[in-house]
Amino acid sequence: DGGITQSPKYLFRKEGQNVTLSCEQNLNHDAMYWYRQDPGQGLRLIYYSQIVNDFQKGDIAEGYSVSREKKESFPLTVTSAQKNPTAFYLCASSLSGRSYEQYFGPGTRLTVT
Amino acid sequence: RKEVEQDPGPFNVPEGATVAFNCTYSNSASQSFFWYRQDCRKEPKLLMSVYSSGNEDGRFTAQLNRASQYISLLIRDSKLSDSATYLCVVNRKGDTGRRALTFGSGTRLQVQP
Repeated sequence: DGGITQSPKYLFRKEGQNVTLSCEQNLNHDAMYWYRQDPGQGLRLIYYSQIVNDFQKGDIAEGYSVSREKKESFPLTVTSAQKNPTAFYLCASSLSGRSYEQYFGPGTRLTVT
Repeated sequence: RKEVEQDPGPFNVPEGATVAFNCTYSNSASQSFFWYRQDCRKEPKLLMSVYSSGNEDGRFTAQLNRASQYISLLIRDSKLSDSATYLCVVNRKGDTGRRALTFGSGTRLQVQP
């Protein structure tokens, strides 16, 4: 079954701790994206990667970091510098830079207290 | 002005009704348009792309009006299972050509028996 997986589904952390969210895809998609969604708001782009070993900041990259060492994987680290980390984090992928259609993983709901 | 604006709703309609949502976008250079569906606490799922000539997929019809910069989604013969939040999505040209998507905040539809 092809798809995008994110783990864990729910994550709880204490303030001041870094946490890494996993995103894996076996769709052979080149591009991958991280978004966050807050209640009643649209998705906001955190980071994106069009190819392996390359990634760019999105609109709200402060307090986050990513890596893209493999085509299939695009982990997101939420650092202690992120002021309001509690949110629903969604990973997406698209076939290539030519395609805008993005497909999402099931998301990770992060709660920081 | 937001890049993508939608009426948040909720739209409460009886089963079998026809319901239409509109969405306006601010970037006249946008080229790709989509409707995504998001169920409560789940990831967005691509419902349909929106083409210049309009397109239909079963009970769903999407239309694009470039002159007025709006997109519409029409749902005929509403089912209880159509209850969800519908996200209007538009591509935007970033400075780095990142081919990013901008998501509206969504319109909530509640179909009632």
